Amino acid sequence: EVQLVESGGDLVQPGGSLRLSCAASGFSFSDYAMSWVRQAPGKGLEWVSIITSGGGRTSYADSVKGRFTISRDNSKNTLYLQMDSLRAEDTAVYYCAKLEGPSFVGLLNYWGQGTLVTVSS
Amino acid sequence: EIVLTQSPGTLSLSPGERATLSCRASQSVSTYLAWYQQKPGQAPRLLVFGASGRATGVPDRFSGSGSGTDFTLTISRLEPEDFAVYYCHNYDSSRRTFGGGTKVEI
Repeated sequence: EVQLVESGGDLVQPGGSLRLSCAASGFSFSDYAMSWVRQAPGKGLEWVSIITSGGGRTSYADSVKGRFTISRDNSKNTLYLQMDSLRAEDTAVYYCAKLEGPSFVGLLNYWGQGTLVTVSS
Repeated sequence: EIVLTQSPGTLSLSPGERATLSCRASQSVSTYLAWYQQKPGQAPRLLVFGASGRATGVPDRFSGSGSGTDFTLTISRLEPEDFAVYYCHNYDSSRRTFGGGTKVEI
């Protein structure tokens, strides 16, 4: 059974940093691209970032480019999102999601339950 | 960036009625279009992929159609558990987007 468990969400001050983790199990992690999607309180879904199966290629939404960094450790079956220069508008539940294949083009077919990031002074 | 526009924003219906949700893309996404259902406090659940394929375990009252820029999700007869928010999503590029969502309420 595919399981994705996010962690690392917290209350952080504007301008601060946070690293989210997503522990994966139940599938061959190194064979699949992974993504982060967020949802601000009471709002819709917003795609954040994506990384290919080997970690060699990444892509970001304009709203986070230059501030967030996606990475993965295939030996630990873990996906990361390093979040720097955080803003109030980054407040959201952050979901990690598995793609159906190794590259960018593919369906998000499994999702974690999310971790809450709150940016506030 | 491809913009997905969902309509209506809210759909007020009763159990047993038919629901028709629309998603329009600002440029063609071929059939790289998925629909997700989300209930409060839960992660999104995949319903439809490839514009018209039903995901595993999804009841056949859910059906998707369309290609290019215009897509539809139809729920033939609403069950109480179908009242939720529905999102369309294009996944044909490295920079993907979601629609704003349609809330189906009683």
